[in-house]
Amino acid sequence: GEDVEQSLFLSVREGDSSVINCTYTDSSSTYLYWYKQEPGAGLQLLTYIFSNMDMKQDQRLTVLLNKKDKHLSLRIADTQTGDSAIYFCAESINNAGNMLTFGGGTRLMVKP
Amino acid sequence: EPEVTQTPSHQVTQMGQEVILRCVPISNHLYFYWYRQILGQKVEFLVSFYNNEISEKSEIFDDQFSVERPDGSNFTLKIRSTKLEDSAMYFCASSGGRGANEKLFFGSGTQLSVL
Repeated sequence: GEDVEQSLFLSVREGDSSVINCTYTDSSSTYLYWYKQEPGAGLQLLTYIFSNMDMKQDQRLTVLLNKKDKHLSLRIADTQTGDSAIYFCAESINNAGNMLTFGGGTRLMVKP
Repeated sequence: EPEVTQTPSHQVTQMGQEVILRCVPISNHLYFYWYRQILGQKVEFLVSFYNNEISEKSEIFDDQFSVERPDGSNFTLKIRSTKLEDSAMYFCASSGGRGANEKLFFGSGTQLSVL
């Protein structure tokens, strides 16, 4: 079945760039997503990328997709303490984009 | 920004009891979902619901589970006879349509503890 894997933890200093990595197994994935979860809150969609794209940029966020290696990354430029949260990678397991397989989440800690 | 609300935030129940988890999706949304996250595990898809019918469901969503939209605003998940392994955070979500460009809005979850 589909599987999405992420490292558990990342610590960076404020102002540095953060890179959160994700690997997935389903080569037929059409859409891949990054969600953010702050303490006590729900999952917030940050960005998504179509599988026919290599890169997507949205303000401080850059998503890179290596389809050959089934590797997805999220780069956060100029990381702020408010970026501290759990970041989930997810892939769509149907073409409707609403049945998602999630990774286990990467906890990002930003030190001042 | 509009939000999905879930109540209660924490529910404690005895094994074998029925529980109903409640969600108020965003008012003009048409598609509704339940996901869950067992402590230390990944967020898992349970079910999607559209036009008063289940659209898709996962293997987890067995006969113990049911969903309902009892009125124009609420969306509920019922677990008929809870088991210890049903303890998890349950997330409700809604979207205006289907497709990758349709954002899924998630609620903040209901933590279900089965004792």
